[in-house]
Amino acid sequence: DTAVSQTPKYLVTQMGNDKSIKCEQNLGHDTMYWYKQDSKKFLKIMFSYNNKELIINETVPNRFSPKSPDKAHLNLHINSLELGDSAVYFCASSRVGRENNEQFFGPGTRLTVL
Amino acid sequence: QKEVEQNSGPLSVPEGAIASLNCTYSDRGSQSFFWYRQYSGKSPELIMFIYSNGDKEDGRFTAQLNKASQYVSLLIRDSQPSDSATYLCAVNSGGSNYKLTFGKGTLLTVNP
Repeated sequence: DTAVSQTPKYLVTQMGNDKSIKCEQNLGHDTMYWYKQDSKKFLKIMFSYNNKELIINETVPNRFSPKSPDKAHLNLHINSLELGDSAVYFCASSRVGRENNEQFFGPGTRLTVL
Repeated sequence: QKEVEQNSGPLSVPEGAIASLNCTYSDRGSQSFFWYRQYSGKSPELIMFIYSNGDKEDGRFTAQLNKASQYVSLLIRDSQPSDSATYLCAVNSGGSNYKLTFGKGTLLTVNP
């Protein structure tokens, strides 16, 4: 199936741990994103990579580190997890043109920090 | 601060009615406008995009854009209970095609 996929779907962990979320897209897109959706459902961009190059880095704690090994993959590593990191993390991808940036989202990873 | 504003709702309409969802944005340089639908517990799903002033129709959905008023709307005709979801307005911002700024969403409930 053509899609944006994420693993794991659910992640429950203790404060202070380090965890990673993986994302893969087989849509042939050149740009990938990580978004955070908090308990109030507000969806906010964290990072974006275009052809493996970091192009958006919003005000995110440096405990969050994205890594793009190739155009089809964008992983998110989180160090020293805190309670406030609990949220749903969505990966997305797009092919960016002069006018358009239609982003397609993965199913999300629900992170719960205890 | 570049912002996208939506009425959080809930907006409740009877089945078969027209649902009207509104969005305003602050960045005059924005060029691309998107409507996403998000069912509870699911990921956002793109349903419409519009780049030019005026109306764009796709099935029961019509997007309307007025760049002078910095206003974009989504009309859903013949609303169905399956349209009940949160609708997110997204706008490219910061002079970048890469960055989308999302509104907080409007919860729509279509009553049978």
